Amino acid sequence: DAGVIQSPRHEVTEMGQEVTLRCKPISGHNSLFWYRQTMMRGLELLIYFNNNVPIDDSGMPEDRFSAKMPNASFSTLKIQPSEPRDSAVYFCASSLQKGGEFFGPGTRLTVL
Amino acid sequence: GENVEQHPSTLSVQEGDSAVIKCTYSDSASNYFPWYKQELGKGPQLIIDIRSNVGEKKDQRIAVTLNKTAKHFSLHITETQPEDSAVYFCAASPRNFGNEKLTFGTGTRLTIIP
Repeated sequence: DAGVIQSPRHEVTEMGQEVTLRCKPISGHNSLFWYRQTMMRGLELLIYFNNNVPIDDSGMPEDRFSAKMPNASFSTLKIQPSEPRDSAVYFCASSLQKGGEFFGPGTRLTVL
Repeated sequence: GENVEQHPSTLSVQEGDSAVIKCTYSDSASNYFPWYKQELGKGPQLIIDIRSNVGEKKDQRIAVTLNKTAKHFSLHITETQPEDSAVYFCAASPRNFGNEKLTFGTGTRLTIIP
């Protein structure tokens, strides 16, 4: 099992640019979570999906953030336009029904 | 909503000694309590979990205990080794029908002194 796959692993962009983060969950997992981690705020849940349907997006900071899950094996988190305060490590995680989350390696985003 | 508090924020332990990290939760509906280990530059890794129908669970040098009445749970690491150095997170969730979201503690940075 390859685990959760995220791409890119590192992203450096300029303020105002669009950023798209990608995630492939573990095959067979029916829930997918997007988290953001910073020193100041710790680990924050942004949004999660059950069976490809968004369940709770109350953690999405503002309208500049959007997430999609077009099928069971792929999800994207998009930031448009990006701002320096979006700089963080973004994690994708997946899980089985009632199980614990398995995290990907993360995408380190730097917005200049 | 759920609130999870974790203590201590930092912990230094001599190699071979035991380490204990404690968490409290507020929502009595929470019934699933995982622990994660995060090494530098990596994602959190699920190391052990416990459900509310169990008071204690062990996996080699790691154990977790749960006191539902007091709403607290703890991670115990025995015979600590240098590779145990990492940040540890506790979490809680009411997982009844599906994957309700986890609420994480703020983390404990554990340092094992050789």
